[in-house]
This record gives sequence, structure tokens and C-alpha cells, in this order.
Amino acid sequence: AQSVTQPDIHITVSEGASLELRCNYSYGATPYLFWYVQSPGQGLQLLLKYFSGDTLVQGIKGFEAEFKRSQSSFNLRKPSVHWSDAAEYFCAVGANENAGKSTFGDGTTLTVKP
Amino acid sequence: DTGVSQDPRHKITKRGQNVTFRCDPISEHNRLYWYRQTLGQGPEFLTYFQNEAQLEKSRLLSDRFSAERPKGSFSTLEIQRTEQGDSAMYLCASSPQRRSPYNEQFFGPGTRLTVL
Repeated sequence: AQSVTQPDIHITVSEGASLELRCNYSYGATPYLFWYVQSPGQGLQLLLKYFSGDTLVQGIKGFEAEFKRSQSSFNLRKPSVHWSDAAEYFCAVGANENAGKSTFGDGTTLTVKP
Repeated sequence: DTGVSQDPRHKITKRGQNVTFRCDPISEHNRLYWYRQTLGQGPEFLTYFQNEAQLEKSRLLSDRFSAERPKGSFSTLEIQRTEQGDSAMYLCASSPQRRSPYNEQFFGPGTRLTVL
């Protein structure tokens, strides 16, 4: 079975500071990994995804994530946070063996201080 | 194409009533998924369709829940005899089935259900 852990429930950073959100996954084979962002009352927007190849993936809005197989991690980073980045962030793992459905972590809420 | 749409966006009902939600996927997508998201948690898989066939149901989907996708296009999720524990955001997603490593899911805005 696949699972995702996001160890940080809530993170606060100052605008302009760097950001790293942690994600650890459990899956027996090579996983497909995703980061989504959700603003209040909104659906999920895909930030980036990892299927294979280069372990550093670039996404939208200046986000990037690095897949580390040895650590079973897929942490999300941004060098300089903007106030508009305040939202909830979800890491997810998917597998073709599971008909493409995804298993999500419980999310990390990001607050940005002015 | 305007993406995945869901209707209604919000629903307030009294315990014991039946409710039905609708999801319209992206037109060329033949896979459709339903997820439930409660406060403070990530979305949890409920069920999925490939075209009109419902191929998998989570154990989270009790007998009070039923989903259909009669013509392989839009889908409905009905909850009978609602309970307060059914209060959640119900998310729909769709994806194509193409020959690629993985077909990402596109999510709708969700239907927020409140059971009083």
C-alpha cells in the first residue's frame, strides 16, 4: 500500500524567505509523486510532478521539488516566498497499478508574514 | 475547455436527508474519480470510473453512498440518509487514459457538504 507523510502541519515564513515543505512517501516500486496547492474554498492545483528522470523537477509559480529515493522524500522548495503563496500544500503519490488514483498526505498550511 | 466542474459548490442539509452532487469532467477524459476531504486532512479516494464502468470503490464508501456515470460523461454522487460525519468537501477529478507513464488528475473546485 502507498502512503504519504507530511511531518509539518503548519509552517510560517516571512515574505522573501526561502521555503521547504517536507514529504515522505512509502511505496514498493518507483512512485509517481505530486505536489498540489489548495487555497481556501478552492480545488487542488498541481504545482509539479515527478515520473522519472531528473530528480529535480521544476513547477509553476517558482516551485521546485527534489526526489530522493534513498530518503523516500520529495520535498518542495521555493527560494523566495510571496504573500500569495499562503495556502495549504499537499503531497501525493500515485501508481498505475492503482488505476491512477492518488494517496495524499494530510497537508501543510503555509502562513506568510509580511 | 473550462476544466472539471462540480455542482453545487455548497450544500447544507439536515441529517437524514438525501443529497446528490454532480461532476462534469474534462470532455476527452475517460477516467473520473471521487475523493472526500475532511478538515485538516488530505483528500481520500472514494471511487473511480473508466468510461461508464465503476471499477473500484473504497471501503470508505458505505452503502449509503452511490455513484454513477451513466453515459461515460458526467457523474453523480448520492448520499442517502446523511449523517453529520458526512460533512466534508467532495472532490471530483478526471484524467485521460493515454499511453504515457502516468496520467495526471485534474481536480474540480469541490462541493462542500454541511450536515446539520
